[in-house]
Amino acid sequence: EDKVVQSPLSLVVHEGDTVTLNCSYEVTNFRSLLWYKQEKKAPTFLFMLTSSGIEKKSGRLSSILDKKELSSILNITATQTGDSAIYLCAVDRFTGTASKLTFGTGTRLQVTL
Amino acid sequence: EPEVTQTPSHQVTQMGQEVILRCVPISNHLYFYWYRQILGQKVEFLVSFYNNEISEKSEIFDDQFSVERPDGSNFTLKIRSTKLEDSAMYFCATRGNEQFFGPGTRLTVL
Repeated sequence: EDKVVQSPLSLVVHEGDTVTLNCSYEVTNFRSLLWYKQEKKAPTFLFMLTSSGIEKKSGRLSSILDKKELSSILNITATQTGDSAIYLCAVDRFTGTASKLTFGTGTRLQVTL
Repeated sequence: EPEVTQTPSHQVTQMGQEVILRCVPISNHLYFYWYRQILGQKVEFLVSFYNNEISEKSEIFDDQFSVERPDGSNFTLKIRSTKLEDSAMYFCATRGNEQFFGPGTRLTVL
């Protein structure tokens, strides 16, 4: 059975801090690893990672995949209160014609003033 | 920017009733998905759909559930006889390269 584990489960930081969120996975027929941000409702897409060691970056957020260690990290630098959300890691695997995402339970990040 | 849309945003129904949740995918996407999230729990895969047929379904997706793309644009999830435990957020997602999620339908079964 596919498994995605995220840590920590929750985190409280002060505005301006840097945070690192972790994701490890066990999955057959790995296709990619995705990070999503979930605020009130739907997960919004952040990054998709397919190759090991290549950093994806968007503003203050960055992520990297380690296929040897079956893990990924999401870094957020200079955190702001608007970064408060649940960050979801999901692994996409091939399932014949389509694919499917298996999600972790998420890391709840709270950024305080 | 193209986006996935879903209707209704919130549906309240009585146990045993049928509900249909609707999704309009991003226009050039070919793969469609339904996921659900019970309050406080993780997002769970229900079903994937490609080329007008189901590609894969989870064990949650039993005979009470069905999907179809009736008119080439809408993608629907039908629950025939709702149970209390079907109460959840239901997300439609579509994939080009990565999966994009719609805003969800909150289903409340009383």
